[in-house]
Amino acid sequence: DAGITQSPRHKVTETGTPVTLRCHQTENHRYMYWYRQDPGHGLRLIHYSYGVKDTDKGEVSDGYSVSRSKTEDFLLTLESATSSQTSVYFCAISVVGTYEQYFGPGTRLTVT
Amino acid sequence: KNEVEQSPQNLTAQEGEFITINCSYSVGISALHWLQQHPGGGIVSLFMLSSGKKKHGRLIATINIQEKHSSLHITASHPRDSAVYICAVNSGGSNYKLTFGKGTLLTVNP
Repeated sequence: DAGITQSPRHKVTETGTPVTLRCHQTENHRYMYWYRQDPGHGLRLIHYSYGVKDTDKGEVSDGYSVSRSKTEDFLLTLESATSSQTSVYFCAISVVGTYEQYFGPGTRLTVT
Repeated sequence: KNEVEQSPQNLTAQEGEFITINCSYSVGISALHWLQQHPGGGIVSLFMLSSGKKKHGRLIATINIQEKHSSLHITASHPRDSAVYICAVNSGGSNYKLTFGKGTLLTVNP
């Protein structure tokens, strides 16, 4: 599992509140990703990081921001949560040079 | 049109049957992945391939680069194989991003 953890694993929050999800890895991988998974859409990339303080947008980045101040942590923030952001969020890492990708256990977020 | 298309979307089989799930993609790729996700569970990598064929136990994955097509086969299917199977591709570049198919829900009945 490449030592990937996500916190929290489940969260229920109200519309308009800020939410931060954390992805933590223990193996010093350079590339980290945040995906969301929704019925009918599959997995879609929100943001990714290619190093400390180096991030870029994915295909569904509106309403989300990310930060990476340490190699091991990649944070996803919903500044003002909306019901459309109810989803399961997966963090992942890539092993440079191999194309292997490993996923965290997921965070189920419900926005009421 | 999605860059990665899977078929079928849903598949029901009886225990012991041979199963095939298909994946077609429309872009050049560096690698193709088959992933497995049990209901309510995490995502596990089954195979990563860029050419030919790979086998692991009862699972076989093949890819035809010229036809932009890959198949995942399960021999002697078992109820524990019931899961969503997801095809994903790395379409090159230095960021290793994946583009995913929408998944195939497999149910194997005893």
